[in-house]
Amino acid sequence: GENVEQHPSTLSVQEGDSAVIKCTYSDSASNYFPWYKQELGKGPQLIIDIRSNVGEKKDQRIAVTLNKTAKHFSLHITETQPEDSAVYFCAALWEGSQGNLIFGKGTKLSVKP
Amino acid sequence: DADVTQTPRNRITKTGKRIMLECSQTKGHDRMYWYRQDPGLGLRLIYYSFDVKDINKGEISDGYSVSRQAQAKFSLSLESAIPNQTALYFCATSDSGGSVYNEQFFGPGTRLTVL
Repeated sequence: GENVEQHPSTLSVQEGDSAVIKCTYSDSASNYFPWYKQELGKGPQLIIDIRSNVGEKKDQRIAVTLNKTAKHFSLHITETQPEDSAVYFCAALWEGSQGNLIFGKGTKLSVKP
Repeated sequence: DADVTQTPRNRITKTGKRIMLECSQTKGHDRMYWYRQDPGLGLRLIYYSFDVKDINKGEISDGYSVSRQAQAKFSLSLESAIPNQTALYFCATSDSGGSVYNEQFFGPGTRLTVL
């Protein structure tokens, strides 16, 4: 089955700096990689996703890159703001999984004003 | 009103008690999921259902059971709760829509403590 490793587990940055969270996956058949943001006291919410036929996707201050050869993908947040503070989860889906996601263990991002 | 609701939001119970966590959705989605979140372990899938008659075990189903009473309702039961089932539980929904690349929508979570 699929396994998703996520690093770092905690990340602290100053407001305005960039933040990068990295994930690796084990199954080369994986073809969809979403990122979820979990704010305190709430359920996770999708913020961006990428499919395996695309190398990079950007949405305002967030971007995701995918390296299929190395089997890793990353979330990039630029010009961080205090409201970016949350737990971020990467996930992977592969063709044989019936649409189920395998999540990484999460990264707690703290943005200090 | 929230699209995915969970009740109760918090529950404290004792070892050996039977507990039911309920999930309701107004999104009209066919797929529903139960996840467990533990610190440092991320989200792990307990059970999932693609429609009322289709229930499947996830990664960590031992000690849990589910019931899909209607398309909009999916309940998780702990028949005899034990302390290591203390965790944050999330229900989620998605719309198959002919594709597996569909966003999952999560409820607010139920914090369960088993003493």
